[in-house]
Amino acid sequence: DVKVTQSSRYLVKRTGEKVFLECVQDMDHENMFWYRQDPGLGLRLIYFSYDVKMKEKGDIPEGYSVSREKKERFSLILESASTNQTSMYLCASTTPGGAHYGYTFGSGTRLTVV
Amino acid sequence: SQQGEEDPQALSIQEGENATMNCSYKTSINNLQWYRQNSGRGLVHLILIRSNEREKHSGRLRVTLDTSKKSSSLLITASRAADTASYFCATNSKLTFGKGITLSVRP
Repeated sequence: DVKVTQSSRYLVKRTGEKVFLECVQDMDHENMFWYRQDPGLGLRLIYFSYDVKMKEKGDIPEGYSVSREKKERFSLILESASTNQTSMYLCASTTPGGAHYGYTFGSGTRLTVV
Repeated sequence: SQQGEEDPQALSIQEGENATMNCSYKTSINNLQWYRQNSGRGLVHLILIRSNEREKHSGRLRVTLDTSKKSSSLLITASRAADTASYFCATNSKLTFGKGITLSVRP
């Protein structure tokens, strides 16, 4: 069974901390995505990557960065966590033709910044 | 920027009834996808319909697409309590999502 694994289900961090959210997929997918989900706002795209060492900004990249050193791993980095980054974070992956086959999502990381 | 807009925002039905959910979008698309999200979990891909298709079926799911009206509908027939979830439509390769529809199926 194909999988996208997010390293933590729940995470509590302090304001100002540097936070790493990890996402690993075992499907040899080229494309990986990070979203955040907030009540009333739906899912919003933060960053995505179409290849190793490649990244592109999504709709809300401010306050975030990403790293894709290996094909299977896509990390989301909160450089200095703030309370307005408290949210559910979802990682997804797909093949280059994945727009035709659907995306596979991880179970999500619920991050609380205090 | 959000592309898909689902309607209604919330839907409550009795088990066994059909549930119809709608999605509208703004710009031209290559395909439209529907996803389900159980409470506090990740999204699960349900079905994809391409822009040159008008209708598609998968089990109890039926999806229609009207590109002239820039709209799609998802029909779940003979609903079950286990169908209780949020449903999202999404368009194109960067998967721009709507805000979702909360479906409650009463036993």
